[in-house]
Amino acid sequence: IAGITQAPTSQILAAGRRMTLRCTQDMRHNAMYWYRQDLGLGLRLIHYSNTAGTTGKGEVPDGYSVSRANTDDFPLTLASAVPSQTSVYFCASSDSSESSYNEQFFGPGTRLTVL
Amino acid sequence: GQNIDQPTEMTATEGAIVQINCTYQTSGFNGLFWYQQHAGEAPTFLSYNVLDGLEEKGRFSSFLSRSKGYSYLLLKELQMKDSASYLCAVSDSNYQLIWGAGTKLIIKP
Repeated sequence: IAGITQAPTSQILAAGRRMTLRCTQDMRHNAMYWYRQDLGLGLRLIHYSNTAGTTGKGEVPDGYSVSRANTDDFPLTLASAVPSQTSVYFCASSDSSESSYNEQFFGPGTRLTVL
Repeated sequence: GQNIDQPTEMTATEGAIVQINCTYQTSGFNGLFWYQQHAGEAPTFLSYNVLDGLEEKGRFSSFLSRSKGYSYLLLKELQMKDSASYLCAVSDSNYQLIWGAGTKLIIKP
């Protein structure tokens, strides 16, 4: 593994189903993030984690949950998917969430369609 | 509220120069980032500015004026592979990145 991986690459999901998007990084970064990207809108932060064992809500957290049991993994769960959650989801990480220079590295993304 | 503004789309000619502007209003400022995103791919880091002035990196330069809440990304000697979206992001008072919607740059031969 080099950098950040995400799985699955894409998924079509029936509304009401539960879905977990996986994210793993091997850079030993402290901070991790989940974004969604929709056409015409900027990246919007869903949830973040400044360090293993802690999580926080971003701009659009409703309908999503996360956990951070260890440094490397940061799964995103949709408890009951709705069509408005159709989007491209990016996981990102940075060395620190508490410094000016917090360059974020992105995974390849998961394209999710909820029907 | 927090706001990042960039043009939606720009067109330029191969070999030319293009300037992509970004204006911002955020709660606090801890630096401004530019990222490049090719269609269907992840964003990748281009530049970072925290002090006023110009940062040059090869064909790409980025400028910041904190008093004006303004930045631009300058791309020189445009190549077809520069066709991509360019994302402006500001690190706010909580060190969270606030993202603009991106500028789609189309390069024509």
